[in-house]
Order: sequence, then C-alpha cells, then structure tokens
Amino acid sequence: EVQVVESGGGLVQPGGSLRLSCAASGFTFSDYWMSWVRQAPGKGLEWVANIKQDGSDKYYVDSVNGRFTISRDNAENSLYLQMDSLRAEDTALYYCARDLAWTNGRFDSWGQGTLVTVSS
Amino acid sequence: DIQMTQSPSSLSASVGDRVTITCRASRSVIKYLNWYQQKPGKAPKLLIYTASRLQSGVPSRFSGSGSETDFTLTISSLQPEDFATYYCQQSYSTRSFGPGTKVDVK
Repeated sequence: EVQVVESGGGLVQPGGSLRLSCAASGFTFSDYWMSWVRQAPGKGLEWVANIKQDGSDKYYVDSVNGRFTISRDNAENSLYLQMDSLRAEDTALYYCARDLAWTNGRFDSWGQGTLVTVSS
Repeated sequence: DIQMTQSPSSLSASVGDRVTITCRASRSVIKYLNWYQQKPGKAPKLLIYTASRLQSGVPSRFSGSGSETDFTLTISSLQPEDFATYYCQQSYSTRSFGPGTKVDVK
C-alpha cells in the first residue's frame, strides 16, 4: 500500500525555522517526483514545492522561494521541507504528496498532513 | 505563473442532481488539468487527471472535459458521499490549484 506520513510540524515564532519530514513506503520512492502542498485554516490548497526523482530539479511557489528548501533522501525514502524566515501567513497544514510527473503531473497519494503554526 | 479560477465558489444541490463545476486557466494548460475532492478533516483525493481520465477506483458518475483554458467537472447523479469541496489543479507549468467549489446540501 502506498503511504506517505508527514511529521515535524509545530508552533514556531515569526522569523523562526522548522523542518518537515515525509516518510514514504509501499512504492519505489526514487521513481517519483514529490511535492509539498499546504492548506491554511479554512482556506484552499496551495502547492508549495516539488522535487525531481534524483533531486536535481526543484521548483517553488513564489511566496516561499528563497525561504523554503525542498530536499529528499532516496536511501531513506524520505522527503523534507526546510522552512526558514517563517511568517504568520505560512501557518497551514502541510501535506506531502506523490507527484506522478513533471508535465502532466498529478498528486495521487497524500499524507494526513502536519500542522505548522507561526505565532508569537 | 498560471492562475486558476473556479465557478461557482459554492453550490447547493440535492441527491440525484446533475452538478457541473467550471475551471478556467489564465493561459492554456493543454489538457494538463486534474480534479480533486476534499472532505472536512481529510486529505484531497484525485478524481480526474489529464482533463478527462478517471482515476482508478473513482465512480463513473464523475467525468471531466475541456482543453486549453476551459474545463468542466460533472457529477451525473449526486450521491450523499459527494458533498465536499472540489479543486482543479494544473500541471502544465509548475503547479497551481483553483480556489475550490463547495458542494453542500440544498
């Protein structure tokens, strides 16, 4: 069974940092693009970043570019999101999702999310 | 960046109704448009990919159509488990989602 499980969320002060992790199982992790998608409380979905199978290509939404870094460890079947210079507007539930391709990609497996709250 | 819009933002319907949701892209995404269903407290679920292809395990009452900038999700006969929020998402240029359409009980 394909499964992704996020962890690492919590309460952090504005300007602080947090590192999210996503543990993947049930599929060959190194064969797939992976993405982070977030959802602010009561709001819609926002794609945050994705990373190519070998980690050589990474893309970000403009609002996090330069502050967030996506990475992966294929030996550990894990995806990460390093979040620096956090702002109140980064408060959201962060989902890890399997992303099936670059062009014509789609998110076919999602975790349950990890909550990040940025507040003083 | 490609901006996505959806209409309506919400609708009220009854079981058995035919429901249509529209998604528009700010520029052509060819056919690289996906639809998701999300219920409260749950992760989104992929319904339709590449504009019209039904994801495995999704009931056939769901269908998608469209190309370039204009797309439609149709539920042919609304079932009780279909009350949810629906999002479109393009994958032609990075990724972006529409704002969502909430389908609730009339």
